Amino acid sequence: GENVEQHPSTLSVQEGDSAVIKCTYSDSASNYFPWYKQELGKRPQLIIDIRSNVGEKKDQRIAVTLNKTAKHFSLHITETQPEDSAVYFCAARMGGGSQGNLIFGKGTKLSVKP
Amino acid sequence: NAGVTQTPKFQVLKTGQSMTLQCAQDMNHEYMSWYRQDPGMGLRLIHYSVGAGITDQGEVPNGYNVSRSTTEDFPLRLLSAAPSQTSVYFCASRSTGGREQYFGPGTRLTVT
Repeated sequence: GENVEQHPSTLSVQEGDSAVIKCTYSDSASNYFPWYKQELGKRPQLIIDIRSNVGEKKDQRIAVTLNKTAKHFSLHITETQPEDSAVYFCAARMGGGSQGNLIFGKGTKLSVKP
Repeated sequence: NAGVTQTPKFQVLKTGQSMTLQCAQDMNHEYMSWYRQDPGMGLRLIHYSVGAGITDQGEVPNGYNVSRSTTEDFPLRLLSAAPSQTSVYFCASRSTGGREQYFGPGTRLTVT
């Protein structure tokens, strides 16, 4: 079946440093790639997303890049803060179009040390 | 709007018992889905529905049933609970063609 691989599984950075999380996907028809943040005991919440016709998108300290040829996309967090500590999930919408299911990576636990 | 709601928040079952996890949304979303979350495994799709009367299987459907009689509700049934079904279950919804998928608060299920 289709899958999404995410690396690393854990990431520890000092406050103020940058963090990068990488994902690859298998379905070449995928056209939508969201990133979710999940704090301990809470539900996943969308933080940024990108469509397949865009190579990069930025929202304040977070950015996402997409390489459709290589089938990988990345989340970049700059000037990290302790409140960025959470589990981050990438996902890809399968099958093209707007109806496909979201398939998630296994998550990255980010720890930002003060 | 309450968004996506789930009940119960916590549940303990014995092996072989059955139960229904409830999910409701008040955003008139056509698409609803159920995921389970296990440590180190991410969110895995169990079942989904693209509208009332239409359901289909996801990645890990065995041991679970769903139905969708209304747009608002999408219950998940465990017919005979097994310890392997110990997990956190999230319901989610989005509009057709919509980008953001909204998650419920989750149900933590333990099967002993």
